[in-house]
Amino acid sequence: DAKTTQPPSMDCAEGRAANLPCNHSTISGNEYVYWYRQIHSQGPQYIIHGLKNNETNEMASLIITEDRKSSTLILPHATLRDTAVYYCIVSYDKVIFGPGTSLSVIP
Amino acid sequence: ETGVTQTPRHLVMGMTNKKSLKCEQHLGHNAMYWYKQSAKKPLELMFVYNFKEQTENNSVPSRFSPECPNSSHLFLHLHTLQPEDSALYLCASSQDTWESSNEQFFGPGTRLTVL
Repeated sequence: DAKTTQPPSMDCAEGRAANLPCNHSTISGNEYVYWYRQIHSQGPQYIIHGLKNNETNEMASLIITEDRKSSTLILPHATLRDTAVYYCIVSYDKVIFGPGTSLSVIP
Repeated sequence: ETGVTQTPRHLVMGMTNKKSLKCEQHLGHNAMYWYKQSAKKPLELMFVYNFKEQTENNSVPSRFSPECPNSSHLFLHLHTLQPEDSALYLCASSQDTWESSNEQFFGPGTRLTVL
């Protein structure tokens, strides 16, 4: 599975959009990009995934570059409850978690 | 509430004890997983079951013994554990292990402390 690189931590003001970047330059053609988050001491929560096209659901938007070497998760209006560790994973058939980005939403 | 339940939520055991963790999913999924999350470390995949058959064992020590009697239930039997095995043990399920169907639903975890 391809390796991903994410910033270890980010801050975002409450009500603003949170843009979480992820680099996956060695991604192969059949690997999906998945995003999960984990609120302190809880099980991870699936957010969104995509292959080539941008995706949007009720939680977030996923923007994948045309060369698929990087992606951005967008939380359009961050709330305090969005404070969590966000994991970007590229996978064909196995979900391997890295250290993720610790997002702090600040009042 | 994700449809995946785990019991117990907290467990304290001595190194000579034998205990079991239980996971149950109510989602009709075919694949189930055990993960370990030690303090300040990423989740580590331990075991994968698909249609009750073990398809992945990530070099897990034999003191951890999984059991999957059916697609809805997954157990992790523990014996002669070490203090370094103290961690959050997470169970997850997904429709199957193939691409595009790999959205995993996680349980709340069992916080294990080995004394």
